[in-house]
Amino acid sequence: ETGVTQTPRHLVMGMTNKKSLKCEQHLGHNAMYWYKQSAKKPLELMFVYSLEERVENNSVPSRFSPECPNSSHLFLHLHTLQPEDSALYLCASSPDGGHYGYTFGSGTRLTVV
Amino acid sequence: AQSVTQLDSHVSVSEGTPVLLRCNYSSSYSPSLFWYVQHPNKGLQLLLKYTSAATLVKGINGFEAEFKKSETSFHLTKPSAHMSDAAEYFCVVRRSNDYKLSFGAGTTVTVRA
Repeated sequence: ETGVTQTPRHLVMGMTNKKSLKCEQHLGHNAMYWYKQSAKKPLELMFVYSLEERVENNSVPSRFSPECPNSSHLFLHLHTLQPEDSALYLCASSPDGGHYGYTFGSGTRLTVV
Repeated sequence: AQSVTQLDSHVSVSEGTPVLLRCNYSSSYSPSLFWYVQHPNKGLQLLLKYTSAATLVKGINGFEAEFKKSETSFHLTKPSAHMSDAAEYFCVVRRSNDYKLSFGAGTTVTVRA
């Protein structure tokens, strides 16, 4: 375990469903991130939160909605997704804006049917 | 602007032989550089990082990398490959004073017995 925990590990959802991904860290980090990893593509930064405020939104469709209720928890709310949204969604955290790197969770493997 | 180029999409080595994974970067600012490893169905694990200290950086599992500013390279090496090194490896750049990490496309390493 890296200290960043993501649940669920696997998720299959229909295009009309609403689901949420959860990320939790107790490393004392003050920044958290959502990344999308699709096959054959580089990791894509989706959202950045620093001190619970969103500081980056990388032109992500509105069907993805992040929430950061406190510095230890990060959610990604999903609704009306498309099959091309199927991917591995990785959460990460860092103590200092990433100067010494991020700590990643194991990811949620999402399949949209 | 910054970008990361991993020169090999796939590297195959025999167990016990050296491994070399090549990475070139471009960055307008003094960067931080990282190598991450991802085993199948796992998240990303930090192997090592360069943050403007020693140019030869030692990481976990016997890996090391050398930062060469004149060549804008940060190649990853290991003197003797082990079967457990089979994974995907990502070279990552962070520009100073920026949250964003730029990921290379990844290099898949296979290790032959």
